[in-house]
Amino acid sequence: GENVEQHPSTLSVQEGDSAVIKCTYSDSASNYFPWYKQELGKRPQLIIDIRSNVGEKKDQRIAVTLNKTAKHFSLHITETQPEDSAVYFCAGPSRDTGRRALTFGSGTRLQVQP
Amino acid sequence: NAGVTQTPKFQVLKTGQSMTLQCAQDMNHNSMYWYRQDPGMGLRLIYYSASEGTTDKGEVPNGYNVSRLNKREFSLRLESAAPSQTSVYFCASREDGSMNTEAFFGQGTRLTVV
Repeated sequence: GENVEQHPSTLSVQEGDSAVIKCTYSDSASNYFPWYKQELGKRPQLIIDIRSNVGEKKDQRIAVTLNKTAKHFSLHITETQPEDSAVYFCAGPSRDTGRRALTFGSGTRLQVQP
Repeated sequence: NAGVTQTPKFQVLKTGQSMTLQCAQDMNHNSMYWYRQDPGMGLRLIYYSASEGTTDKGEVPNGYNVSRLNKREFSLRLESAAPSQTSVYFCASREDGSMNTEAFFGQGTRLTVV
């Protein structure tokens, strides 16, 4: 997407290790940052999101952190399991649509090695 | 409650043929979207409809047209298919695009143009 950059494009970790995926954005007025997980051949599904009035949000083994000053946000997965293997996308409001649509990062393929 | 439903799931077209991808949601959402997904490029916005009666171009609208038939349905039409339109197409909906709400995706349409 034109507003969100994501890296790395691929990430391989051992089961039980942590994984971190980072996204940067350019629109300082952006205020909503979701993360989607897409398993092979399936549709993207929301796993966690954060709004700009908080710096961190956790849900069991996953967490998202937001640094508004630096304009980046990150997905953290702890104690990774094989079922975490998927493609993960960050997203943010698209400035070109008046923030009425989401623009997505290019995705990170996470592989958890048993 | 089916969520977002797309038809067809798979389609093969010859160059120059036309077709319409159908999308319907049963969540009473105001905003609907069409994205295409190509390897390594994430989800790119083709067209969106912020509310019933409105449609707007996204990042990659060339070669496509859309119709917001009613609040539930948003169709995508390829008038003269080209090999460059080979992709996976996802329809999505949100309660309201101007609010920070989750996007729900359909199961996708895998289109091949030969």
